[in-house]
Amino acid sequence: AQTVTQSQPEMSVQEAETVTLSCTYDTSESNYYLFWYKQPPSRQMILVIRQEAYKQQNATENRFSVNFQKAAKSFSLKISDSQLGDTAMYFCASFTQGGSEKLVFGKGTKLTVNP
Amino acid sequence: GAVVSQHPSRVICKSGTSVKIECRSLDFQATTMFWYRQFPKQSLMLMATSNEGSKATYEQGVEKDKFLINHASLTLSTLTVTSAHPEDSSFYICSAVDWDSGNTIYFGEGSWLTVV
Repeated sequence: AQTVTQSQPEMSVQEAETVTLSCTYDTSESNYYLFWYKQPPSRQMILVIRQEAYKQQNATENRFSVNFQKAAKSFSLKISDSQLGDTAMYFCASFTQGGSEKLVFGKGTKLTVNP
Repeated sequence: GAVVSQHPSRVICKSGTSVKIECRSLDFQATTMFWYRQFPKQSLMLMATSNEGSKATYEQGVEKDKFLINHASLTLSTLTVTSAHPEDSSFYICSAVDWDSGNTIYFGEGSWLTVV
């Protein structure tokens, strides 16, 4: 079974500070991708960052970076210099390819950036 | 970037009727699309994987006769909620895999369904 676990239902951070959101996953597939999506109140899913499992180097996108620990099946998201616009739900997801493709989400972390 | 369009964004229907939601990839071919349902303050629940030219793969517990998925072209998948009931009211959202851009997955804007 393919599962994604986010153990932090809510987090808060002060503007300009750094915050890390946790995610662990489980899959039996060897070929998979990991994603972090942001969902503001509009409900539009916005891709924040993606990581190919076969790449050892951690992905970075401007203020967003991941710590991908393949052996531990951990995929945390670090947001640096937090901005008020970062306030949203953040979902970790895994995409597997194999006999059937699936994109499965964790339960999400509600992040609030305080001024 | 690539765009996925979902229509309608909001729909109200009467109990017992059927309603169709469209998910269209605008500038790439999407042989694989996913349909989700999202309850308030909850995560996205995968309903089914839609593959062009073949039957959809439904997740356990999802009624395939109630939630009909058709993926008849490389750019369009549809979800039809048949014989809708108030408990089917929810936010439905689709996503599409762009295999040519490193398996990036794009989402539609979502559809609010209200059954009265």
